[in-house]
Amino acid sequence: DSGVTQTPKHLITATGQRVTLRCSPRSGDLSVYWYQQSLDQGLQFLIQYYNGEERAKGNILERFSAQQFPDLHSELNLSSLELGDSALYFCASSSGTVNYEQYFGPGTRLTVT
Amino acid sequence: GDSVTQMEGPVTLSEEAFLTINCTYTATGYPSLFWYVQYPGEGLQLLLKATKADDKGSNKGFEATYRKETTSFHLEKGSVQVSDSAVYFCALSDLHFGNEKLTFGTGTRLTIIP
Repeated sequence: DSGVTQTPKHLITATGQRVTLRCSPRSGDLSVYWYQQSLDQGLQFLIQYYNGEERAKGNILERFSAQQFPDLHSELNLSSLELGDSALYFCASSSGTVNYEQYFGPGTRLTVT
Repeated sequence: GDSVTQMEGPVTLSEEAFLTINCTYTATGYPSLFWYVQYPGEGLQLLLKATKADDKGSNKGFEATYRKETTSFHLEKGSVQVSDSAVYFCALSDLHFGNEKLTFGTGTRLTIIP
């Protein structure tokens, strides 16, 4: 158990809809990262937050957004969903200092029908 | 940009065989290198890491040495077990450019037969 929790575990929704994925980092970790794992694109970095502020952006679509709240949990919002958004979405956390090791949650599997 | 190239899978071995999974990287700075493992239905777990040239990371019988001259970080294990069956990902992060994101290889699926 990494200490990172993600909800929900599975999500099935229709094209055009909007969903919110939630992540709680390990106790004491200030950085949260979001990654997408799909069959065609592999594992890709989406976005990072550090202590409530956006720190880095990767291949995140404009239809996607994220935020980190004062209690350090993070949410990834996916809107106008398309079939191609079906993937596993992982959250990871790190202390944000010293060794920057990232600890991954179990993931949310999103299926868009 | 940064990239990681991993040995294509799947790899199937018999129990107690020697394992090598090749990994090479391209980076503009001095990256830290990682191996992550993903067991079926689970998230990624950090297996081992190395932060500078000639460092050897090791864990659970697995080893990998950071080779700057060949830009490689090959994963090895002397005697694999059925429980090692999983997908293995090589990854890098280039902290010298303030870039903590992980760049992953495509993953190598390993199956160990009893």
